[in-house]
Amino acid sequence: QVQLVESGGGVVQPGRSLRLSCAASGFTFSRFAMHWVRQAPGKGLEWVALISFDRSIESYADSVKGRFTISRDNSKKTLYLQMNSLRSEDTAVYYCARGYYDSSDNWFDPWGQGTLVTVSS
Amino acid sequence: QSALTQSPSASGSPGQSVTISCTGTSSDVGGYNSVSWYQQHPGKAPKLMIYEVNKRPSGVPDRFSGSKSGNTASLTVSGLQAEDEADYYCSSNAGRYNFVFGTGTKVTVL
Repeated sequence: QVQLVESGGGVVQPGRSLRLSCAASGFTFSRFAMHWVRQAPGKGLEWVALISFDRSIESYADSVKGRFTISRDNSKKTLYLQMNSLRSEDTAVYYCARGYYDSSDNWFDPWGQGTLVTVSS
Repeated sequence: QSALTQSPSASGSPGQSVTISCTGTSSDVGGYNSVSWYQQHPGKAPKLMIYEVNKRPSGVPDRFSGSKSGNTASLTVSGLQAEDEADYYCSSNAGRYNFVFGTGTKVTVL
Protein backbone atom coordinates (compact mmCIF):
# COMPACT_ATOMS: atom_id res chain seq x y z
CA GLN A 1 0.00 0.00 0.00
CA VAL A 2 1.01 3.62 -0.40
CA GLN A 3 3.18 4.68 2.52
CA LEU A 4 5.16 7.75 3.51
CA VAL A 5 7.53 7.65 6.48
CA GLU A 6 9.19 10.80 7.78
CA SER A 7 12.37 10.91 9.84
CA GLY A 8 14.98 13.37 11.02
CA GLY A 9 13.03 15.38 13.57
CA GLY A 10 14.38 16.29 16.97
CA VAL A 11 15.39 19.13 19.25
CA VAL A 12 17.60 21.80 17.71
CA GLN A 13 18.82 25.18 18.91
CA PRO A 14 17.66 28.41 17.27
CA GLY A 15 19.78 29.32 14.27
CA ARG A 16 20.88 25.76 13.63
CA SER A 17 19.96 23.41 10.78
CA LEU A 18 18.11 20.14 10.39
CA ARG A 19 17.26 17.88 7.44
CA LEU A 20 14.06 15.89 7.28
CA SER A 21 13.53 12.86 5.07
CA CYS A 22 10.39 11.17 3.78
CA ALA A 23 10.69 7.64 2.40
CA ALA A 24 7.99 6.65 -0.06
CA SER A 25 6.76 3.20 -1.03
CA GLY A 26 3.81 1.56 -2.74
CA PHE A 27 3.57 3.95 -5.69
CA THR A 28 5.63 5.36 -8.57
CA PHE A 29 7.30 8.15 -6.60
CA SER A 30 8.88 9.76 -9.68
CA ARG A 31 5.46 10.57 -11.19
CA PHE A 32 4.02 12.65 -8.37
CA ALA A 33 4.57 16.12 -6.93
CA MET A 34 5.34 16.12 -3.20
CA HIS A 35 4.67 18.54 -0.36
CA TRP A 36 5.75 19.34 3.16
CA VAL A 37 3.04 20.56 5.54
CA ARG A 38 3.56 21.45 9.20
CA GLN A 39 1.41 21.76 12.28
CA ALA A 40 2.55 23.68 15.34
CA PRO A 41 1.46 22.16 18.68
CA GLY A 42 -2.27 22.68 19.13
CA LYS A 43 -2.50 24.70 15.93
CA GLY A 44 -3.72 24.25 12.37
CA LEU A 45 -2.07 23.01 9.22
CA GLU A 46 0.37 25.19 7.30
CA TRP A 47 1.60 24.38 3.82
CA VAL A 48 5.41 24.66 3.69
CA ALA A 49 6.78 23.62 0.30
CA LEU A 50 6.14 21.84 -3.01
CA ILE A 51 8.42 20.08 -5.47
CA SER A 52 7.32 18.79 -8.86
CA PHE A 53 7.82 15.20 -9.96
CA ASP A 54 10.88 16.16 -12.04
CA ARG A 55 12.28 18.82 -9.65
CA SER A 56 11.66 21.56 -12.21
CA ILE A 57 9.27 23.41 -9.89
CA GLU A 58 9.87 24.38 -6.26
CA SER A 59 7.55 26.61 -4.29
CA TYR A 60 7.66 27.80 -0.68
CA ALA A 61 5.47 29.51 1.88
CA ASP A 62 6.62 33.04 2.61
CA SER A 63 7.35 32.03 6.22
CA VAL A 64 10.16 29.67 5.15
CA LYS A 65 11.34 31.15 1.84
CA GLY A 66 15.09 31.60 1.80
CA ARG A 67 15.60 29.34 4.83
CA PHE A 68 14.14 25.98 3.78
CA THR A 69 14.92 23.92 0.67
CA ILE A 70 12.83 21.04 -0.64
CA SER A 71 14.49 18.37 -2.74
CA ARG A 72 13.96 14.78 -3.86
CA ASP A 73 15.90 11.76 -5.05
CA ASN A 74 13.65 9.75 -7.32
CA SER A 75 16.15 6.88 -7.47
CA LYS A 76 15.88 6.54 -3.68
CA LYS A 77 12.14 7.38 -3.56
CA THR A 78 12.92 9.95 -0.90
CA LEU A 79 11.80 13.53 -0.27
CA TYR A 80 13.87 15.95 1.79
CA LEU A 81 13.45 19.25 3.60
CA GLN A 82 16.62 21.13 4.50
CA MET A 83 15.80 23.62 7.25
CA ASN A 84 18.36 26.35 8.00
CA SER A 85 18.32 29.31 10.40
CA LEU A 86 15.65 27.63 12.48
CA ARG A 87 13.42 29.75 14.70
CA SER A 88 11.21 28.90 17.65
CA GLU A 89 8.16 29.44 15.44
CA ASP A 90 9.31 26.55 13.24
CA THR A 91 8.49 24.15 16.07
CA ALA A 92 5.90 21.77 14.63
CA VAL A 93 5.09 18.30 13.43
CA TYR A 94 6.25 18.13 9.83
CA TYR A 95 4.26 15.94 7.45
CA CYS A 96 5.16 14.91 3.95
CA ALA A 97 2.21 14.44 1.63
CA ARG A 98 1.87 13.19 -1.90
CA GLY A 99 0.58 15.69 -4.41
CA TYR A 100 -0.77 14.88 -7.84
CA TYR A 101 0.72 14.48 -11.31
CA ASP A 102 0.21 18.20 -11.93
CA SER A 103 2.10 20.26 -9.36
CA SER A 104 -0.62 22.92 -9.35
CA ASP A 105 -3.30 20.52 -8.14
CA ASN A 106 -4.53 21.18 -4.59
CA TRP A 107 -4.24 17.57 -3.49
CA PHE A 108 -2.50 16.22 -0.38
CA ASP A 109 -2.97 12.47 -0.09
CA PRO A 110 -1.79 10.39 1.51
CA TRP A 111 0.16 11.83 4.43
CA GLY A 112 2.99 10.42 6.48
CA GLN A 113 2.76 10.04 10.24
CA GLY A 114 4.80 13.20 10.82
CA THR A 115 8.06 13.99 12.57
CA LEU A 116 8.33 16.52 15.41
CA VAL A 117 10.82 19.36 15.18
CA THR A 118 11.40 21.37 18.35
CA VAL A 119 13.46 24.54 18.14
CA SER A 120 14.61 25.50 21.61
CA SER A 121 17.72 26.58 23.42
CA GLN B 1 -0.78 33.83 2.41
CA SER B 2 -3.31 34.35 5.20
CA ALA B 3 -5.11 31.25 6.44
CA LEU B 4 -8.64 30.67 5.22
CA THR B 5 -11.27 31.41 7.85
CA GLN B 6 -13.25 28.58 9.41
CA SER B 7 -15.56 28.67 12.41
CA PRO B 8 -13.73 27.13 15.40
CA SER B 9 -16.40 24.57 16.20
CA ALA B 10 -19.55 22.85 15.01
CA SER B 11 -21.67 20.13 16.53
CA GLY B 12 -24.62 17.88 15.88
CA SER B 13 -26.34 14.81 17.23
CA PRO B 14 -25.94 11.39 15.62
CA GLY B 15 -27.91 11.23 12.40
CA GLN B 16 -28.05 15.00 11.98
CA SER B 17 -26.14 17.12 9.48
CA VAL B 18 -23.44 19.67 10.12
CA THR B 19 -22.04 22.20 7.66
CA ILE B 20 -18.60 23.79 7.96
CA SER B 21 -17.72 26.96 6.07
CA CYS B 22 -14.36 28.09 4.73
CA THR B 23 -14.01 31.72 3.68
CA GLY B 24 -11.19 33.13 1.62
CA THR B 25 -10.77 35.74 -1.07
CA SER B 26 -10.86 36.02 -4.83
CA SER B 27 -7.12 35.22 -4.78
CA ASP B 28 -7.68 31.78 -3.32
CA VAL B 29 -11.07 30.10 -2.79
CA GLY B 30 -12.88 32.37 -5.22
CA GLY B 31 -10.24 32.14 -7.90
CA TYR B 32 -9.83 28.38 -8.18
CA ASN B 33 -12.14 25.36 -8.35
CA SER B 34 -9.67 23.40 -6.28
CA VAL B 35 -10.90 23.47 -2.68
CA SER B 36 -10.12 20.32 -0.74
CA TRP B 37 -11.10 19.16 2.75
CA TYR B 38 -9.17 17.11 5.29
CA GLN B 39 -10.27 15.19 8.39
CA GLN B 40 -7.83 14.87 11.28
CA HIS B 41 -8.41 12.76 14.36
CA PRO B 42 -6.36 13.58 17.48
CA GLY B 43 -2.74 12.48 17.14
CA LYS B 44 -3.27 11.27 13.59
CA ALA B 45 -2.30 12.51 10.15
CA PRO B 46 -4.91 14.34 8.08
CA LYS B 47 -6.98 12.42 5.53
CA LEU B 48 -8.33 13.77 2.24
CA MET B 49 -12.12 13.81 2.23
CA ILE B 50 -13.07 16.11 -0.68
CA TYR B 51 -11.09 17.49 -3.63
CA GLU B 52 -11.91 19.89 -6.47
CA VAL B 53 -14.74 21.38 -4.38
CA ASN B 54 -17.14 18.43 -4.49
CA LYS B 55 -15.37 15.21 -5.50
CA ARG B 56 -14.88 12.32 -3.09
CA PRO B 57 -11.82 10.07 -3.22
CA SER B 58 -12.45 6.36 -3.32
CA GLY B 59 -13.45 5.05 0.11
CA VAL B 60 -14.89 8.29 1.50
CA PRO B 61 -18.56 7.85 2.45
CA ASP B 62 -21.12 9.77 0.40
CA ARG B 63 -22.25 11.38 3.67
CA PHE B 64 -19.49 13.89 2.99
CA SER B 65 -20.21 16.52 0.35
CA GLY B 66 -18.67 19.82 -0.69
CA SER B 67 -19.75 22.98 -2.43
CA LYS B 68 -18.56 26.50 -3.19
CA SER B 69 -20.13 29.87 -3.76
CA GLY B 70 -17.95 32.85 -4.47
CA ASN B 71 -15.19 33.10 -1.89
CA THR B 72 -16.76 30.59 0.51
CA ALA B 73 -16.57 26.81 0.38
CA SER B 74 -18.58 24.42 2.53
CA LEU B 75 -18.33 20.85 3.75
CA THR B 76 -21.49 19.06 4.82
CA VAL B 77 -21.48 15.87 6.83
CA SER B 78 -24.89 14.20 6.72
CA GLY B 79 -26.03 11.39 8.99
CA LEU B 80 -23.41 12.23 11.60
CA GLN B 81 -21.66 9.28 13.17
CA ALA B 82 -19.45 9.11 16.24
CA GLU B 83 -16.36 8.52 14.10
CA ASP B 84 -16.94 11.84 12.32
CA GLU B 85 -15.84 13.69 15.46
CA ALA B 86 -12.56 15.25 14.38
CA ASP B 87 -10.91 18.45 13.19
CA TYR B 88 -11.62 19.46 9.62
CA TYR B 89 -9.45 21.71 7.45
CA CYS B 90 -10.14 23.24 4.08
CA SER B 91 -7.41 24.03 1.58
CA SER B 92 -7.19 26.03 -1.62
CA ASN B 93 -4.72 27.16 -4.23
CA ALA B 94 -3.45 30.66 -3.44
CA GLY B 95 -1.54 30.89 -6.70
CA ARG B 96 -0.64 28.28 -9.28
CA TYR B 97 2.00 26.67 -7.05
CA ASN B 98 1.00 28.09 -3.68
CA PHE B 99 -1.48 26.64 -1.24
CA VAL B 100 -3.26 27.72 1.92
CA PHE B 101 -5.14 25.84 4.63
CA GLY B 102 -8.06 26.96 6.74
CA THR B 103 -7.90 27.64 10.46
CA GLY B 104 -9.70 24.39 11.23
CA THR B 105 -13.08 23.41 12.67
CA LYS B 106 -13.59 20.98 15.52
CA VAL B 107 -16.69 18.89 14.92
CA THR B 108 -18.30 17.39 17.99
CA VAL B 109 -20.90 14.64 17.85
CA LEU B 110 -23.20 15.23 20.79
